[in-house]
Amino acid sequence: AQSVAQPEDQVNVAEGNPLTVKCTYSVSGNPYLFWYVQYPNRGLQFLLKYITGDNLVKGSYGFEAEFNKSQTSFHLKKPSALVSDSALYFCALTNAGKSTFGDGTTLTVKP
Amino acid sequence: DADVTQTPRNRITKTGKRIMLECSQTKGHDRMYWYRQDPGLGLRLIYYSFDVKDINKGEISDGYSVSRQAQAKFSLSLESAIPNQTALYFCATRDRGLTEAFFGQGTRLTVV
Repeated sequence: AQSVAQPEDQVNVAEGNPLTVKCTYSVSGNPYLFWYVQYPNRGLQFLLKYITGDNLVKGSYGFEAEFNKSQTSFHLKKPSALVSDSALYFCALTNAGKSTFGDGTTLTVKP
Repeated sequence: DADVTQTPRNRITKTGKRIMLECSQTKGHDRMYWYRQDPGLGLRLIYYSFDVKDINKGEISDGYSVSRQAQAKFSLSLESAIPNQTALYFCATRDRGLTEAFFGQGTRLTVV
């Protein structure tokens, strides 16, 4: 069985500060990891993914994520947060064509 | 036009009624999914289909059924709606391989 945990329900940061949204996973095989963002009244939108290769993955809107196999983590990061980054963020683990999602983390960026 | 279109966007129905949620996609993807989103519970997989003749149960399929009418269409039915099926429902598609999913805008269903 595979699982994804997002240990923080809510993350608050000030605009201009760096942000981190945490994700840990458990899977018996290779981890294929994704981050999605959901704005109010919208569906999820893809941000970035890790399949293999470089542990630092760059994605949309200036986001990046660091894959750490020893810590089974895939944390989402951005060097300088914007108010418009405020949204609900989901980490997902994909295997055999199906995805397991974390419970989501609400990011609030304050001016 | 959106790549993945869900209808209706909002629906209020009574307990015991049958309701169908529809999803169509223009991505040309073989794989389609129905998820349910509840506050604090993330997305849970209801059913998925890898091809027109392929239907698979997800983790919470009880009380739901699906039909894959064509490559582009995947509908979700609640045979006899109950209040705890009140939720936000999402359809998604993805291509083969380790690709990202494309989501519809969601259907907010309320069962009273």
